[in-house]
Amino acid sequence: NAGVMQNPRHLVRRRGQEARLRCSPMKGHSHVYWYRQLPEEGLKFMVYLQKENIIDESGMPKERFSAEFPKEGPSILRIQQVVRGDSAAYFCASSPRSPDEQFFGPGTRLTVL
Amino acid sequence: AQSVSQHNHHVILSEAASLELGCNYSYGGTVNLFWYVQYPGQHLQLLLKYFSGDPLVKGIKGFEAEFIKSKFSFNLRKPSVQWSDTAEYFCAVGPLAGNNRKLIWGLGTSLAVNP
Repeated sequence: NAGVMQNPRHLVRRRGQEARLRCSPMKGHSHVYWYRQLPEEGLKFMVYLQKENIIDESGMPKERFSAEFPKEGPSILRIQQVVRGDSAAYFCASSPRSPDEQFFGPGTRLTVL
Repeated sequence: AQSVSQHNHHVILSEAASLELGCNYSYGGTVNLFWYVQYPGQHLQLLLKYFSGDPLVKGIKGFEAEFIKSKFSFNLRKPSVQWSDTAEYFCAVGPLAGNNRKLIWGLGTSLAVNP
């Protein structure tokens, strides 16, 4: 059983471009969580999704950020018109049910030039 | 408000020293508790978790944690640390019931073990 997959592992974007981060949960997991990690700031919750539903997006910035977890395919975190402040590591986690243990992916390191 | 507090932000120890990392939470209702570890350059991994039963929980790599309900605490311990324990440690809390069961995370404790 493969672990949580995230791609790309590293993503470089210029200001104003769009960033798309993908997360494939572990097989059988229907709960997905996105986190952002900045040095010295710990892990910040962004959004919690179940298949085709957003359960909690209280940690997502109101503008430019969106997330989805379609019936088929990976979960996508989309950042439009990126700014330098979006540079961070973005981690995805999945669980078979909530609030079971969350399994983390390797993260996507986004750098905005 | 729901919150998790990790008292020590940076800890430096010598090998063989004992470790205790504090975690206190503020949460209404029955909770599940977790400790995760992030080794340098790697993703988070579960060290141990508490759902119910014996409040003293054994985890991987010789770690353990004790849930003290009256103190709203879930401190992580290891009797003798190794250089390879150098990592970031995160405490997390989640509700036992309800529709929204996201975890609330502490800010993390950075542990450096000197050989």
